[in-house]
Order: sequence, then structure tokens, then C-alpha cells
Amino acid sequence: DMKVTQMPRYLIKRMGENVLLECGQDMSHETMYWYRQDPGLGLQLIYISYDVDSNSEGDIPKGYRVSRKKREHFSLILDSAKTNQTSVYFCASSSGTGNTLYFGEGSRLIVV
Amino acid sequence: GDSVTQTEGLVTLTEGLPVMLNCTYQSTYSPFLFWYVQHLNEAPKLLLKSFTDNKRPEHQGFHATLHKSSSSFHLQKSSAQLSDSALYYCALRNTEGADRLTFGKGTQLIIQP
Repeated sequence: DMKVTQMPRYLIKRMGENVLLECGQDMSHETMYWYRQDPGLGLQLIYISYDVDSNSEGDIPKGYRVSRKKREHFSLILDSAKTNQTSVYFCASSSGTGNTLYFGEGSRLIVV
Repeated sequence: GDSVTQTEGLVTLTEGLPVMLNCTYQSTYSPFLFWYVQHLNEAPKLLLKSFTDNKRPEHQGFHATLHKSSSSFHLQKSSAQLSDSALYYCALRNTEGADRLTFGKGTQLIIQP
């Protein structure tokens, strides 16, 4: 059953707090992604991971870091969250070049 | 670098009329083009992707043709349905791009009765 699961789905944090968003997939895909979605800006790539401990910055990595210790899990960490990091975050996975991205349901983060 | 342009942020149509959502791109290498659709409160999911052999992909009544001469991959449907209301993203992955997918800003399609 091809599925990408994100936790938590909804989160409210105070400015300066740390945030951990977690993502899991059951397809043994090598490549995983974190995107953020903002109205009028579309989906922007934060980080891409090609496999365990093989991560690369996307287009907007500042203020974020990632961790991938197992192929099926990919975490997004915000150290000291900022109000402009309020957004919907999507995790996705794919099996290789030219192939389909499978997205999770999204994690809505509000930083107050 | 790669870029995808979707000129319309919002398209509102009456049910039964044809749909055309614009997508143009810039890429150094020969790209794969995709359309993703996101219904309200759901995850984006693949609608169509381009082929390398000039076949026209079709799904759920939607089709798109990759025109390399004009760098376009417009999404079309002959007759809109209420259930087509969603956010549509055009995206590009170039063959040298190490799995990176570049998305346009999206077009919100609203179909009215």
C-alpha cells in the first residue's frame, strides 16, 4: 500500500521553540523531499535526500535542517522557529529519476 | 536554472466549458514535464507526465502535449466538471537534475455550475 505518512498533521509553536516534523514511507523509495507550500508561491523545495545520510539543500534551506537515518524516515527540524516559517509542509518520496512523487497529507505549522 | 511559469493564478469556468491551463518552462536539458493536482485539504498527486516519444498523456479526461519548440506543456480538457475544481501544479524534472522537481506557482481552478 503506497503511502507517505506525516506527523504531526497540525502544530502550533511559539517563536523560538524547536519543531520536529516527521515523515515515513512504505515504498522503499531512495529519494525523499521536504517542500513548503504558501499561497501564491506554490511548492518550494527545502531539502532533498537521496538515501540514508545523503542530503542536499533545496531552494530554501535556510532555517531548516534534516535527518535521514533510515531509508523509510525523513525528518525536518526547525531550530528556533520563526513566524515566517508558518506554512504547510509536505513530504514526498520517489523511486528515481523521472518517476512520480508521492506526497504525504501535509503538516500545518503555525508559529506565534 | 530551471523554471516553470504558470501565468494564471486563478481560473474560473462554468461546468461544461473547455479547460486550458498554461504552463511554460525554461530548462538547460531535455526535461520531463508533469501536472500535479491538489484537491482541497488533500495531498498533491500526479495527474499527467510527458513521454519521451511524443505520445500525448491523458488521464481523467485531461491531456497535455509537450511542445519543445515553444517550451510549453499546457493542460487541457474538453468539458469541465465540478469535481475538477482544484489547485493544479505544472512541474519540471530535467534529465540531469538528480531527481529535483521544480514546481510552478500553481493555478487554482474553480468550476461553477
